[in-house]
Amino acid sequence: EVQLVQSGGEVKKPGESLKISCKGSGYRFFSYWIGWVRQMPGKGLEWMGVIFPGDSDIRYNPSFQGQVTISADRSISTAYLQWSSLKASDTAMYYCARRSELGGFDYWGQGSLVTVSS
Amino acid sequence: EIVLTQSPGTLSLPPGERATLSCRASQSVSSSYLAWYQQRPGQAPRLLIYGASSRATGIPDRFSGSGSGTDFTLTINRLEPEDFAVYYCQQYGSSPWTFGQGTKVEIK
Repeated sequence: EVQLVQSGGEVKKPGESLKISCKGSGYRFFSYWIGWVRQMPGKGLEWMGVIFPGDSDIRYNPSFQGQVTISADRSISTAYLQWSSLKASDTAMYYCARRSELGGFDYWGQGSLVTVSS
Repeated sequence: EIVLTQSPGTLSLPPGERATLSCRASQSVSSSYLAWYQQRPGQAPRLLIYGASSRATGIPDRFSGSGSGTDFTLTINRLEPEDFAVYYCQQYGSSPWTFGQGTKVEIK
């Protein structure tokens, strides 16, 4: 069974750093793109970027480039999303998702709620 | 960047009716790389349609997708109670893989 399991919710202060994770199982992790999607409270979905764990090819949405870093460790089938200096506006639910060979994101993690507040 | 505009913003219909949701792209979506997702409150999105018209695994046949180029449609026949949710389109033909802003289907 394909699963993506994300790390738990986080409460941070502005300026702090954070790295959240997404562990894949039940499939060949290195063979599928993994994407990150932001959903701010009460808002829609925003595509942040994707990584191909097989060769660490990364594509960023220009809106998020320089604001976050996407990475992966194929040895432990885990993708990451990190911030070096959080802002209150980073408060959101963050989802990881696997890009299907046929198209679209076919499996999603349960989401990681990040709250940034002083 | 391809901008996707969904309409209407909210669709109010009774159970059993047909829902027709629109997704219009600012430029042509290559190879019909267009997907539709359903998101229920408190849940992660679920893939319904990929390639503009192919149903994902386990999706009931009351969901259908159509369209090409810049105009795409998701049709839900005979709305069931569990279908009342928010629906998003997404293009994955060119980076960034953008989402539409969503259409909420609510019970009338």
